[in-house]
Amino acid sequence: DAKTTQPPSMDCAEGRAANLPCNHSTISGNEYVYWYRQIHSQGPQYIIHGLKNNETNEMASLIITEDRKSSTLILPHATLRDTAVYYCIVGEYGNKLVFGAGTILRVKS
Amino acid sequence: GAVVSQHPSRVICKSGTSVKIECRSLDFQATTMFWYRQFPKQSLMLMATSNEGSKATYEQGVEKDKFLINHASLTLSTLTVTSAHPEDSSFYICSARVGRGAPGVETQYFGPGTRLLVL
Repeated sequence: DAKTTQPPSMDCAEGRAANLPCNHSTISGNEYVYWYRQIHSQGPQYIIHGLKNNETNEMASLIITEDRKSSTLILPHATLRDTAVYYCIVGEYGNKLVFGAGTILRVKS
Repeated sequence: GAVVSQHPSRVICKSGTSVKIECRSLDFQATTMFWYRQFPKQSLMLMATSNEGSKATYEQGVEKDKFLINHASLTLSTLTVTSAHPEDSSFYICSARVGRGAPGVETQYFGPGTRLLVL
């Protein structure tokens, strides 16, 4: 079973920041937080991952709380092409990924 | 990033026939590949873990005799759906894991998926 809890859906206005929350209260010390997204009828796309420090790359930022029980994925300037299902996954680095239901993000103009 | 391809992208077959799906890592070697299945409006479900040169490890509830996995080289894994039936119709997705390296590197790359329709 997935170890994360995400809201089923969220809306975001185009050009605004999209903040996607994820709860992972049972995360263990050696487990990473991964974010992937899946655009309709395509394979998942990697976004970002982190262990305990905040991370940023060209796609997004990942904010992990100090107790590591929750995290937030931030898309700084959402576009219509960011409409997708976003999956938050916890697991040991390099091991299998168990997908939960994810959050459907709808970016609207 | 690294590229994973799947072939075919879409296949239609008759009930009772077998279908082979290929997963290739195009510009890197993958000692481990994963196979997922996704039904409409559902999340991805991990079917099995495929390690090069050894037998695949199947998730609970996945029939290993029905879903044959072969990982004969560091760039190719195949999934064969044997005696396919309409309930096997689904979106099959593979992923390839880059060898354990620095944590700053992405761990898994996903293929574009193969849509199987069994009539």
